[in-house]
Amino acid sequence: DQQVKQNSPSLSVQEGRISILNCDYTNSMFDYFLWYKKYPAEGPTFLISISSIKDKNEDGRFTVFLNKSAKHLSLHIVPSQPGDSAVYFCAAKASGSARQLTFGSGTQLTVLP
Amino acid sequence: DADVTQTPRNRITKTGKRIMLECSQTKGHDRMYWYRQDPGLGLRLIYYSFDVKDINKGEISDGYSVSRQAQAKFSLSLESAIPNQTALYFCATSGGEGLDEQFFGPGTRLTVL
Repeated sequence: DQQVKQNSPSLSVQEGRISILNCDYTNSMFDYFLWYKKYPAEGPTFLISISSIKDKNEDGRFTVFLNKSAKHLSLHIVPSQPGDSAVYFCAAKASGSARQLTFGSGTQLTVLP
Repeated sequence: DADVTQTPRNRITKTGKRIMLECSQTKGHDRMYWYRQDPGLGLRLIYYSFDVKDINKGEISDGYSVSRQAQAKFSLSLESAIPNQTALYFCATSGGEGLDEQFFGPGTRLTVL
């Protein structure tokens, strides 16, 4: 049973518009969440994170929102650029765990010029 | 130069063969991880190590073994490869208390015929 779910395998967005990638989780012990971006033939790279004590974290064009009551987080990219086209993975860590991350299945974002 | 390197990058082998995938890092991190990625399943943790004398099973360790030869090196072995071990394998590192960000290598694409 997947504890971190990304229900949209793919998303297409026009350049300049907002991209919203969603992630749901089931484990209430998760207290830290990360987004990774992966280009073909490369390993995932860290993008942005959020602690459960916050509901928003912003870094340039990237903002992550956390709704603990709904066990839902989202990544907003504004404005979207063609170079943002990649697979985005949501990951979560449980409180007290040995720093293990649980990953979602990923969402392929395509930003159309 | 890449901080986390993996060799080989691609490998095709036959059922029953022993395979070793190697990972080296120059980040000076104590913690190292092996993941596999399958379509629709995201990244799943195989094994992890918090220092040279520490080895821990992850979510899907059956059929795999690991060796932490030094702080900088972490190898994954498939003692007798089978076709359902065909996947993309990633090594990752992390360092320090409170630092949950993991840094990934470029991946090894393994095909078992």
